[in-house]
Amino acid sequence: AQKVTQAQTEISVVEKEDVTLDCVYETRDTTYYLFWYKQPPSGELVFLIRRNSFDEQNEISGRYSWNFQKSTSSFNFTITASQVVDSAVYFCALSEANSGGYQKVTFGTGTKLQVIP
Amino acid sequence: DAGITQSPRYKITETGRQVTLMCHQTWSHSYMFWYRQDLGHGLRLIYYSAAADITDKGEVPDGYVVSRSKTENFPLTLESATRSQTSVYFCASSERRGSDTGELFFGEGSRLTVL
Repeated sequence: AQKVTQAQTEISVVEKEDVTLDCVYETRDTTYYLFWYKQPPSGELVFLIRRNSFDEQNEISGRYSWNFQKSTSSFNFTITASQVVDSAVYFCALSEANSGGYQKVTFGTGTKLQVIP
Repeated sequence: DAGITQSPRYKITETGRQVTLMCHQTWSHSYMFWYRQDLGHGLRLIYYSAAADITDKGEVPDGYVVSRSKTENFPLTLESATRSQTSVYFCASSERRGSDTGELFFGEGSRLTVL
């Protein structure tokens, strides 16, 4: 079974604060991919990152960073010095092969981030 | 225009009617997905397809039917719409990279209301 848990339903921070969004996943596969997507108030889904299960190096992209830890099955997302434009719903997702070898991508329930000016 | 498009963007229907949501992509991506988004549930996978004529159920397939006779199209049909199917539906596609998927590209969503 495949499962992605985003326990934080909503988070509010004041602008310029750092914030970490948690993502915990469950999978029986050794090869899988993890994703983060952003959904701003306008509704579109924006790709942020894709990481495979063999690459545990942390990644940084500007104010965004991701911490992948297989030991705890977590793929957390940190925004440094948050800005109002970061206000959105953030989704974590897991791609895993089904019994036929085809990829199935399932999402968590999302974390709504509100950055207060 | 290149990309992934969904139609209709907005639809109001009545309980018991059949509704088809269309999804078309111009990239020739192998994978296509249908999700529904509901408050408190995030994005839930309805059906997905690895290639033309290859489809499989996701988490919430009941009440939905899909087909994929052509790579670029992946219609989702609600055979007899129910109020619980009121939702925003997102179609997505991704290229096949070996045995894995690349990033998912999403359509703009179709907002369906069942009265």
